[in-house]
Amino acid sequence: DADVTQTPRNRITKTGKRIMLECSQTKGHDRMYWYRQDPGLGLRLIYYSFDVKDINKGEISDGYSVSRQAQAKFSLSLESAIPNQTALYFCATSDFLAGTEQFFGPGTRLTVL
Amino acid sequence: AQSVAQPEDQVNVAEGNPLTVKCTYSVSGNPYLFWYVQYPNRGLQFLLKYITGDNLVKGSYGFEAEFNKSQTSFHLKKPSALVSDSALYFCAVRRTNSGNTPLVFGKGTRLSVIA
Repeated sequence: DADVTQTPRNRITKTGKRIMLECSQTKGHDRMYWYRQDPGLGLRLIYYSFDVKDINKGEISDGYSVSRQAQAKFSLSLESAIPNQTALYFCATSDFLAGTEQFFGPGTRLTVL
Repeated sequence: AQSVAQPEDQVNVAEGNPLTVKCTYSVSGNPYLFWYVQYPNRGLQFLLKYITGDNLVKGSYGFEAEFNKSQTSFHLKKPSALVSDSALYFCAVRRTNSGNTPLVFGKGTRLSVIA
C-alpha cells in the first residue's frame, strides 16, 4: 500500500551495529504498529502506538526500541543488532475504530551477519 | 488471550477447483476476524473481514469467508482457483470489546494453485 512507506527496503548489517527502520504514512491514522515476520512463525507484534504520546510493548519487544516522532512517523531501532533479528519487518497503521483493518507497508528485509 | 490457528502450512489445489484455507480462533467474547494475502516481495493486503451481521463475507478477488461461531472458525474460500491466487494467506483476530488493539495473526498458509 503506497500510503504506508518503509525505508530502507533492504538492509544488510553486522552484529553489534545500530539500525533504524523508518515508517511513514499518509492515511491520517493515529495507530501504528511494527511486526516481524519469520518463516513458519507468522507475524509477531514488536511495538505499537495509539498516538504520539503512547507507546506499548508487543509480544517480542526485547532488543528493540521505537520512537513516534509525529502522527505520521514511527521508527523501529535495533540498538545492537544480532543475527536472530534477521527477518522481514512490517509497519502497519489503522484508525481508532475497533472493526477496522490494518494497512501494511511493503516491508524491510533485514539481514544481520 | 487471543489466538489464531491455521492448521495447514501448505494447501495445493488445481486451477479451476474450489479452494479452502482454514482458520480457527480463540477469544473471550465476540471476535472481529480478518484475512490478508501476501504475494512474494510484497506487504500484506487486506482481503475481507467479519464484523457483525451475515456470516458469509465477500471480499476482494472473488474470495469469501464464512464465520461459524459454534466451531470458532473463519475459513477462506473461493469457488474456482486461479494460478494467480498462489500466495501466503494470513488469518487475524481481535476481540470486539478490547478497543482497537493490535491484530493477532496466525502463522500463515501457503496456497499453491497448479495449472
